Amino acid sequence: GDSVTQMEGPVTLSEEAFLTINCTYTATGYPSLFWYVQYPGEGLQLLLKATKADDKGSNKGFEATYRKETTSFHLEKGSVQVSDSAVYFCALSGGDDKIIFGKGTRLHILP
Amino acid sequence: NAGVMQNPRHLVRRRGQEARLRCSPMKGHSHVYWYRQLPEEGLKFMVYLQKENIIDESGMPKERFSAEFPKEGPSILRIQQVVRGDSAAYFCASSPGTGMNDEQFFGPGTRLTVL
Repeated sequence: GDSVTQMEGPVTLSEEAFLTINCTYTATGYPSLFWYVQYPGEGLQLLLKATKADDKGSNKGFEATYRKETTSFHLEKGSVQVSDSAVYFCALSGGDDKIIFGKGTRLHILP
Repeated sequence: NAGVMQNPRHLVRRRGQEARLRCSPMKGHSHVYWYRQLPEEGLKFMVYLQKENIIDESGMPKERFSAEFPKEGPSILRIQQVVRGDSAAYFCASSPGTGMNDEQFFGPGTRLTVL
């Protein structure tokens, strides 16, 4: 079945460092891909998405490009802030209305 | 426009009791999804409902769990005779149901603790 694999955390970076969180997927067909962010004690918020190959999703300085050839959707940000500390989930939707999530990557940003 | 509402935010139950979790979708949304998040895990799909219909319950445990989304009122996830392994965060999401790959909007979750 469909699945998502993302790098394990926690990831600890200093403020203004470059961030990459790797995500690869397995799916039949052409899924939509998502990154969600979960701040402490809160629900998930959609961070960005891409619906077809080579699409780039972007929001709040974060970017991810849908790479069909490598089945990847890595999350990047050029300069992280302390407020970016959260858990990040890579996810896919194969069109059957359920979202399949990775296990999440906890990110700590040090001032 | 209020977001997805879930209550209670925290629920404590003893083994053998019943847990009822409520979800009010965003205004105008007719599709509801329930997900479970175990500690240090991602969210796992449980069930997808439209008003008065269960569309997909492939992620629901076969026993003790049930869900409904009545014509009026919130969606309810019901867990009977809870066990310690049911301790988790339960998230509800809603979508407008206008087409494929509608964005799902998540509520803040209910954190269930079974003593």
